[in-house]
Formats: sequence, structure tokens, C-alpha cells
Amino acid sequence: AQTVTQSQPEMSVQEAETVTLSCTYDTSESNYYLFWYKQPPSRQMILVIRQEAYKQQNATENRFSVNFQKAAKSFSLKISDSQLGDTAMYFCAFMKKAGSSNTGKLIFGQGTTLQVKP
Amino acid sequence: NAGVTQTPKFQVLKTGQSMTLQCAQDMNHEYMSWYRQDPGMGLRLIHYSVGAGITDQGEVPNGYNVSRSTTEDFPLRLLSAAPSQTSVYFCASRDIDRGNHEQYFGPGTRLTVT
Repeated sequence: AQTVTQSQPEMSVQEAETVTLSCTYDTSESNYYLFWYKQPPSRQMILVIRQEAYKQQNATENRFSVNFQKAAKSFSLKISDSQLGDTAMYFCAFMKKAGSSNTGKLIFGQGTTLQVKP
Repeated sequence: NAGVTQTPKFQVLKTGQSMTLQCAQDMNHEYMSWYRQDPGMGLRLIHYSVGAGITDQGEVPNGYNVSRSTTEDFPLRLLSAAPSQTSVYFCASRDIDRGNHEQYFGPGTRLTVT
């Protein structure tokens, strides 16, 4: 069974600075996807960034980037130039790629609450 | 497109009562699922469906029932509510054939069982 672990329950960062959120996972699969979701106080789940395991290049979306270390099973999220609107809970998630029977089951970590301070 | 909609947004039940959480999507997605979110535990999969007439259990299915009679709707039934079912419930959908594998989440339902 797959597991996802986020070991930082809470973090804070000053506005305009950079912060890194950690995520590790455990799987015996070789083909899978990793995601970071953002959940602001509105409760809406928002996809921030995705990474396909077979791609060596780290994914980037504007101020958000990941450090994907497949051998170490690590998938950290870096937020550059933090903004007040980045204040939210962030979830790391794993999804197995299973060919035609890919049922899209997401396995979530426990979440990290990020506070961006002015 | 409205995306994924859920009703109600909030609900309070007494122990033993039953209710149905509604979920609908207008994106013609084949895959739909229900998650519950509890503090310190992230989101956990309750039930999922890969198409009309096909459902299967997730990680925490006990106490919940689902059916999928249409592509658009995927209701979640609590048969006899228990305080342990106090949680925030999310419905999600995705297009199985698309390559981006993005799941679209509804706004959630906060359920309190007293």
C-alpha cells in the first residue's frame, strides 16, 4: 500500500520570502503521479502542481516548483516570493498510474498549514 | 460549466439519522469519488465510481453507501449517522481519458453528528 507523509504540520514565512514544504512517500510502483493541492480558508481544493514519475525534470508553475527525488521518494514544494494569498493548508498526494484501469485514487498526506506573514 | 457541485454546504444530524450528500458534475467525467477530511489525517477515499452503474469501495467505506445511476450524479448516503462521521466531505471527478489526471473537487460539505 502507498503512504504519503508530511512531517511539518505548520510552517510560517515572511511575505516575499521563499519556503519549502516537505513530502515523502512510500510505494513499490514505478509509474505514478504526485500532486500538491492548496486548500485556502474557503475550503476549496486547488491543484497547484503535478509531477509524473517518469519525467526527470522538476515541474514548475510560476512561483511554485518541486524538487522530485525519485530514489529518495521525496517530493518537496518550493514557493518563491510568498504572497499573503498563499496562506493555506497544502496537501501532497500520490496517484498510481495503472494503465487502462487507472482509477485515479488519490492518497493524501496529512497536510501542512502555511501562514504567510506581512 | 458549474464544475463539481455539492449540497448541502453544512449539515447537523443526530446520531442514528440518515441523509444523502448530493454531488453533481457537468463535465461528463466518468470517474467520481468521495473523500472525507479529518484533522491531521488529510483526505481519505470513501467510495469511487468509474462510470454509471459501477462503484467500488475506497479506504474508509463503512457506514456509507453510494450508487451511480447517471454520469452526472454520485450521491453519498449515510445510513445511520454516528459521531465518528463528523467530518468535511468532498466529492471529486476526473476525465479518465484525459492525460492531465487532474481531479476537480467540489466545495465540500461540513457534517456534524451530535
